[in-house]
Parts: sequence; structure tokens; C-alpha cells
Amino acid sequence: RKEVEQDPGPFNVPEGATVAFNCTYSNSASQSFFWYRQDCRKEPKLLMSVYSSGNEDGRFTAQLNRASQYISLLIRDSKLSDSATYLCVVSRSGSARQLTFGSGTQLTVLP
Amino acid sequence: GAGVSQSPSNKVTEKGKDVELRCDPISGHTALYWYRQSLGQGLEFLIYFQGNSAPDKSGLPSDRFSAERTGGSVSTLTIQRTQQEDSAVYLCASSLYPDTATNEKLFFGSGTQLSVL
Repeated sequence: RKEVEQDPGPFNVPEGATVAFNCTYSNSASQSFFWYRQDCRKEPKLLMSVYSSGNEDGRFTAQLNRASQYISLLIRDSKLSDSATYLCVVSRSGSARQLTFGSGTQLTVLP
Repeated sequence: GAGVSQSPSNKVTEKGKDVELRCDPISGHTALYWYRQSLGQGLEFLIYFQGNSAPDKSGLPSDRFSAERTGGSVSTLTIQRTQQEDSAVYLCASSLYPDTATNEKLFFGSGTQLSVL
């Protein structure tokens, strides 16, 4: 079983739609959680950290459920520019050496 | 300002040849990481440099892989006697502060696509 699992998609949604991705992790000792965004043939970029209480950044909302060991990302009012692969990332500490990246969920927002 | 720069962007080589991949981190960033991303897989940590400290090589998959960081800046990842399974995107990242429990943001380069024929 992979340490971080994501549905690879693709998710194809119309502009303006709300879309949610889930990610599960296997190591209950995991401490830090992130969502990264990776455009096609580009480098990953940090989208947002995920905090225990849940957090929001504009149209993006991240949630963490430690009991069930999953993380979610909700995107409201999808834009064409949201089309990308979303990587779920988990760390046993804050150390970037201990980051485990999921293989990503592909999102395409259609006009 | 300039981001993390990697070269070449694409490298095609024959099995058994050696390759060198270069990373130029953001100026002033003390921490530098190499990752590998295989098709359909998550990023895999390879090696970490912090200032003048001994590097953390715990992620290197075999002794064919090595890396240097000269003068605390530019880094070179060398793969000797390349194999087809080495084909992947090799990503470099840097951060301003050491790799501690501070969730310091990583800045990635655009990677080198390595294809071993």
C-alpha cells in the first residue's frame, strides 16, 4: 500500500463548478500536510498547508481528518486556470526530507 | 527575482553512459534538495544539502548516484552507467532556512527530463 494515495482522476468539470479531492495517508505519526499544484511539465508549487482546524484561502478549502487519516481539498467556482495536477503531500515532521508526495489528481476545468 | 534554475531541461542518453544534471538554487537559499519524479509516481527524495554540513544521502537509490554542491550554491547530480529505470524527471528545490520542523516553503526548479534509451 502506498504511503499517500490519491485518485488519479482525471476530473473534468465545467467552469464555475465545485470540485473536491481526497487523499489518504497510512502513517498515523504524520505531522504536516500540504497540497501542491503541478502544471503540465512544470515544477510543483505549494498551494496551501493543511491545518488541523481546516483552513481556507480564497476559493480553496483544505480539511484534515486525523482519525480517518485523510486530507481533502475543495475548490469552489472553478476557473480554467485551476486545471493542473494536485499533489497531496504528507510529512512525518516538518522536514522536507520526510515529505511523501502522492502521485497526484488531475483536474481539467472545461469552458 | 530568479527562481531555481536547472539544466539541461531535457537529456537523452544511451544506457551505460554517465550524465550530469545541474541545479542553480535561489541566491541566498541555504538548503538544497534533489527529488526524482517517475511517470505516474510521487516525488521521491534523493539527497539534501545544508550549508557546509555533510549531505543527507539517504534517498539515493544506488551507488551510481552522487551529488555535489560547490561553494554552497550550485549543485550537480551525477548518474553513472545509466539504466532505463533511471528515466524520470529530476527536480531540484531550495529553501531559505535549514530543513527543520518549520515547514519551510520549498521552491522547485522546472526539472530535467532524463530519458535513457
